[in-house]
Amino acid sequence: EPEVTQTPSHQVTQMGQEVILRCVPISNHLYFYWYRQILGQKVEFLVSFYNNEISEKSEIFDDQFSVERPDGSNFTLKIRSTKLEDSAMYFCATRPGRNTEAFFGQGTRLTVV
Amino acid sequence: GIQVEQSPPDLILQEGANSTLRCNFSDSVNNLQWFHQNPWGQLINLFYIPSGTKQNGRLSATTVATERYSLLYISSSQTTDSGVYFCAVPPFNAGKSTFGDGTTLTVKP
Repeated sequence: EPEVTQTPSHQVTQMGQEVILRCVPISNHLYFYWYRQILGQKVEFLVSFYNNEISEKSEIFDDQFSVERPDGSNFTLKIRSTKLEDSAMYFCATRPGRNTEAFFGQGTRLTVV
Repeated sequence: GIQVEQSPPDLILQEGANSTLRCNFSDSVNNLQWFHQNPWGQLINLFYIPSGTKQNGRLSATTVATERYSLLYISSSQTTDSGVYFCAVPPFNAGKSTFGDGTTLTVKP
């Protein structure tokens, strides 16, 4: 069964460093999302991406964050200068169409020290 | 935006018991999913159920869109069912989706 793949599964980084989280969507899916979940808290929407541009973003998604799909396969989330409070599980999700089932990756656990 | 409320927040069961988890949402939706977050943090897709009833083994789900709620039934619970169960609804546009706060289920042997 096709699945959304995220790498790395766990990343530890120093405060102030840049990190790039990678997601390989399911082939032929058109809508892409990033979510985060701080330990013990709810899953929060970060950004949605469609037709090679951001379609919506939350207040969490500030100038430190960016997304792109540079090669038509990988969908990446970049955090420019990480803060301690960026420590969380980051999930990528993709959907084939607008009102369809979303498929989530297994997540990347980011720890900022 | 749409508000999603899940109940109960916590549930403790003995192995073999049945349970019902509820998800209420504040506005009409045409898309609803249930997820199980396992102890490793992975979100496992259980059901995509904008309306009607679906069953998968010991789990089933029902969404009554006109009354703005969805139910997740777990029968003959097992210790491996432990974890957090989330429901999530997107709005009509292609943008953000809203997750409930989750129900934390603990199944004791």
